[in-house]
Amino acid sequence: QKEVEQDPGPLSVPEGAIVSLNCTYSNSAFQYFMWYRQYSRKGPELLMYTYSSGNKEDGRFTAQVDKSSKYISLFIRDSQPSDSATYLCASSGGYNKLIFGAGTRLAVHP
Amino acid sequence: EAQVTQNPRYLITVTGKKLTVTCSQNMNHEYMSWYRQDPGLGLRQIYYSMNVEVTDKGDVPEGYKVSRKEKRNFPLILESPSPNQTSLYFCASSIPGQSYEQYFGPGTRLTVT
Repeated sequence: QKEVEQDPGPLSVPEGAIVSLNCTYSNSAFQYFMWYRQYSRKGPELLMYTYSSGNKEDGRFTAQVDKSSKYISLFIRDSQPSDSATYLCASSGGYNKLIFGAGTRLAVHP
Repeated sequence: EAQVTQNPRYLITVTGKKLTVTCSQNMNHEYMSWYRQDPGLGLRQIYYSMNVEVTDKGDVPEGYKVSRKEKRNFPLILESPSPNQTSLYFCASSIPGQSYEQYFGPGTRLTVT
């Protein structure tokens, strides 16, 4: 079993839709939970991170972590075509080591 | 501009021909790392370095070597590449203790025939 599991999609939604991206993890020692966004032919970039459980909001993006169920979520409100990318969840419990999910490819069409 | 650079961006080579992929960062980061990205498997760590002359294996180190002689540079060496090393490679750097924010290079697409 992978330490971080993520449905690779692809996911296709119309512009303006609410998008929900999800991951599960297995290691109870994980404390940091990240979402990276990767555009085509680019390197990943950090979108948001959360420490421990709870929600974090940044504009149209909300990251949510439920440690009791080991579930990580990213919600995108009012999705835009510019949000089309691959979204990678990642978790960390140790010093400088990130474990990534497989990534979910999202397409937002006008 | 703060960035991580990799060269080459694309490389096609043959089995057994030694190659080096360079990585350089201008952010004075102590921590650097190499990942490979394969469909369905996500990013997997190959090697990492906590500082100059300090390197350690990640999750998939077989067939790779690294060195860290200067803080800014972290080359990845494939001494005898094989077709199963065909992949997309990313170098990343970060500040120690802030591993949640890693800065990635643009990637190197390697094909080994």
